[in-house]
Amino acid sequence: GAVVSQHPSWVICKSGTSVKIECRSLDFQATTMFWYRQFPKQSLMLMATSNEGSKATYEQGVEKDKFLINHASLTLSTLTVTSAHPEDSSFYICSASGLGLAEPYEQYFGPGTRLTVT
Amino acid sequence: EDKVVQSPLSLVVHEGDTVTLNCSYEVTNFRSLLWYKQEKKAPTFLFMLTSSGIEKKSGRLSSILDKKELFSILNITATQTGDSAVYLCAGCSVDETSGSRLTFGEGTQLTVNP
Repeated sequence: GAVVSQHPSWVICKSGTSVKIECRSLDFQATTMFWYRQFPKQSLMLMATSNEGSKATYEQGVEKDKFLINHASLTLSTLTVTSAHPEDSSFYICSASGLGLAEPYEQYFGPGTRLTVT
Repeated sequence: EDKVVQSPLSLVVHEGDTVTLNCSYEVTNFRSLLWYKQEKKAPTFLFMLTSSGIEKKSGRLSSILDKKELFSILNITATQTGDSAVYLCAGCSVDETSGSRLTFGEGTQLTVNP
């Protein structure tokens, strides 16, 4: 099956610093990648959708200058949380869909990155 | 705005019980309804349902979709403690311009006690 990896799996950073999270599709070309955020005991909330080679589309209420998304290749998307604050502490999950999959619109999820901002 | 509502939000049962989890949806450009199981990490895929009335089965889990009533259920028979998890339902919409999109419900927290 299609495999999506995320790195790091967890990160602790100090308030005011920036953190970059990588999402990779290992065995297929991810034309579209999605970034979700999940707070404790809540569901997944879509933050943004990115298509390879173009700018990400952000959901209402998500600050694009704070959550920088880059999808420069068909196998890699990055989410950078800039000037992180404690309220940005959350579980960040990426998913990918793309070419060569049995169901072209199916999303395959990465294992998630737990961010803690102190 | 697309909406997915799950019920109950929380359920506690004993091993061996059968449970039914509910999911109703209002999704424009609806393509499919998906069920996921989430333990400590990211969701793991269970089922994708696109056609009404056709049951999908995997071991003790089964699911069915009713596109007329905009409803799906997930059944788990002979529950085990390992079934304890949050079960998420998501509606998938596909639009020519913006592509696909998942809208998740709040999830049902299932606890199976020995």
